[in-house]
Amino acid sequence: DSGVTQTPKHLITATGQRVTLRCSPRSGDLSVYWYQQSLDQGLQFLIQYYNGEERAKGNILERFSAQQFPDLHSELNLSSLELGDSALYFCASSAGTGEGNEQFFGPGTRLTVL
Amino acid sequence: GQNIDQPTEMTATEGAIVQINCTYQTSGFNGLFWYQQHAGEAPTFLSYNVLDGLEEKGRFSSFLSRSKGYSYLLLKELQMKDSASYLCAVIYGPPDKLIFGTGTRLQVFP
Repeated sequence: DSGVTQTPKHLITATGQRVTLRCSPRSGDLSVYWYQQSLDQGLQFLIQYYNGEERAKGNILERFSAQQFPDLHSELNLSSLELGDSALYFCASSAGTGEGNEQFFGPGTRLTVL
Repeated sequence: GQNIDQPTEMTATEGAIVQINCTYQTSGFNGLFWYQQHAGEAPTFLSYNVLDGLEEKGRFSSFLSRSKGYSYLLLKELQMKDSASYLCAVIYGPPDKLIFGTGTRLQVFP
């Protein structure tokens, strides 16, 4: 158990819909990262927040947005869902801003878009 | 563009040593991670290199050469439980961004 929690574990929805994925980092960790992992593209870094502020951005689509709240939990919002958005979404947390800091991954949310 | 290359698959025998290579081309370099991921599970951190040289951690070691854009993960005394995917990831920038390789799937046979 990494100490990072993600809800829900599974999510099935339809194209065009909007969903919210939630992540609670390990106690004391200030950084939260979001990743997408699909079969054909491997692990893709989406975005990082540090202490409530956006710190780094990867290949995150405009239909996707995220935020980190004062209690440090984070949410990833996915809208206008497409079939290709079906993937495993991981959240990770680390103590610092990222460089050299071990990231602890949550168990993931499996999103299926029908 | 940014790129990381790793072999797609490798096989090895229990008790042996295996080296998984990773080459990268990025604009800027701020560190390299290795992660292990078992099928259907979350990645777990193995190592981090930011300076040239070898970092040893038990049965696992990781090497970095920044001038060559090259790293390897060395696994010794292989066990069946080491069968997993091994992901190489680079932090580059500024601004900081993180890119993962597609992973090397290692199968360990008895």
